[in-house]
Amino acid sequence: GAVVSQHPSRVICKSGTSVKIECRSLDFQATTMFWYRQFPKQSLMLMATSNEGSKATYEQGVEKDKFLINHASLTLSTLTVTSAHPEDSSFYICSARDWGGQSYNEQFFGPGTRLTVL
Amino acid sequence: DAKTTQPPSMDCAEGRAANLPCNHSTISGNEYVYWYRQIHSQGPQYIIHGLKNNETNEMASLIITEDRKSSTLILPHATLRDTAVYYCIVRVRTKTSGSRLTFGEGTQLTVNP
Repeated sequence: GAVVSQHPSRVICKSGTSVKIECRSLDFQATTMFWYRQFPKQSLMLMATSNEGSKATYEQGVEKDKFLINHASLTLSTLTVTSAHPEDSSFYICSARDWGGQSYNEQFFGPGTRLTVL
Repeated sequence: DAKTTQPPSMDCAEGRAANLPCNHSTISGNEYVYWYRQIHSQGPQYIIHGLKNNETNEMASLIITEDRKSSTLILPHATLRDTAVYYCIVRVRTKTSGSRLTFGEGTQLTVNP
């Protein structure tokens, strides 16, 4: 149980285009999902917290107009990188908090999406 | 959330126990100790968590000192597939509290054949 998927796993795009990344909780409902970014040889940095049916909360320094987050259902959150530039190239990872069962309040992570902006 | 300190890297022989230490001297009474690991180019994987008692599951054991200022994650029989970065995180665990996880630099564990 507690499986989180991400799609796509890898994407290459041209500078100036927008890219959407999906994060799904497959076997549980996630009222809260989190988006992280990880640059090479660095640790994960939280970008934003996404709550179903409400606006996302962004960490300091993260541009909310550039990284659009939508959490329209209890199993899906999307991150759209708008007008992507090479410096946005990174590994994007989502996690979902499982409210139910014995693992309530634990976070489970997706496999990540490797974004390369040319 | 309390800050944690971990060694940047460790090596372990395949089949032997891997003992990964973590210092969290500023941990408060309601903060749990969590361990995650991240295999290269994958998302982090939850391993185990505990408050003050030692915990064991199918993946690992967690030993927390009596004063709770440090802990050790034990992989009893390390395999090559256990090579990963291991993160020790302390945070409050309640249904209504925020669940943000603050990742430090972690420990790169390399299991050698």
